[in-house]
Amino acid sequence: DVVMTQSPLSLPVTLGQPASISCRSSQSLVYSDGNIYLSWFQQRPGQSPRRLIYRVSNRDSGVPDRFSGSGSGTDFTLKISRVEADDVGVYYCMQGTHWPGTFGQGTKVEIK
Amino acid sequence: QVQLVESGGGLVKPGGSLRLSCAASGFSFSDYYMSWIRQAPGKGLEWVSYIGPGGTNIYYADSVKGRFTISRDNAKNSLYLQMNSLRADDSAVYYCARAPRQPDSWGQGTLVIVSS
Repeated sequence: DVVMTQSPLSLPVTLGQPASISCRSSQSLVYSDGNIYLSWFQQRPGQSPRRLIYRVSNRDSGVPDRFSGSGSGTDFTLKISRVEADDVGVYYCMQGTHWPGTFGQGTKVEIK
Repeated sequence: QVQLVESGGGLVKPGGSLRLSCAASGFSFSDYYMSWIRQAPGKGLEWVSYIGPGGTNIYYADSVKGRFTISRDNAKNSLYLQMNSLRADDSAVYYCARAPRQPDSWGQGTLVIVSS
């Protein structure tokens, strides 16, 4: 299985400051159709995961533009330009290129 | 809007069986791949299985292969997961999600506890 490695696993952030989460895959995520199926999910406490970003950099409807995704090959990043209180939770990257889809360990974002 | 509602979870003894259901609404269910993804208490996310729109093109994680069976009834807009020979490490919240590669909608989950 493809291993997804996130860092850091814990991210204390000051309100209004930026945050960045790294995700590395153990092999290339380029699918045969040329797409890279790398997504980012937010899981707030007590809630189901919510997709924020799909195919590396595409924001889902309703997701604030404070969230952005980037990367290529095996290295990917989720950035929050200015952290708000509502952003507290665990963030997961996920690859859907190779079966089974696999998730990173999760990064817990909390407010300092 | 898209809604996915899971049911069927509960407490079961090791070796027992459960059947999970997911009722879908707000979209054309028969057009979409559907998945089951689980999360053990306090842990990360693990893909369990997915099924194609017509009920074929089925995949299982190695951890559940031979024990779990995914199915769907497009006439009832419903997804199912039959879980047999349950083990303690199957204890988790089971989520129903739309699409196999980039799940864009998730249900609220149903909790399965396998314990004697």
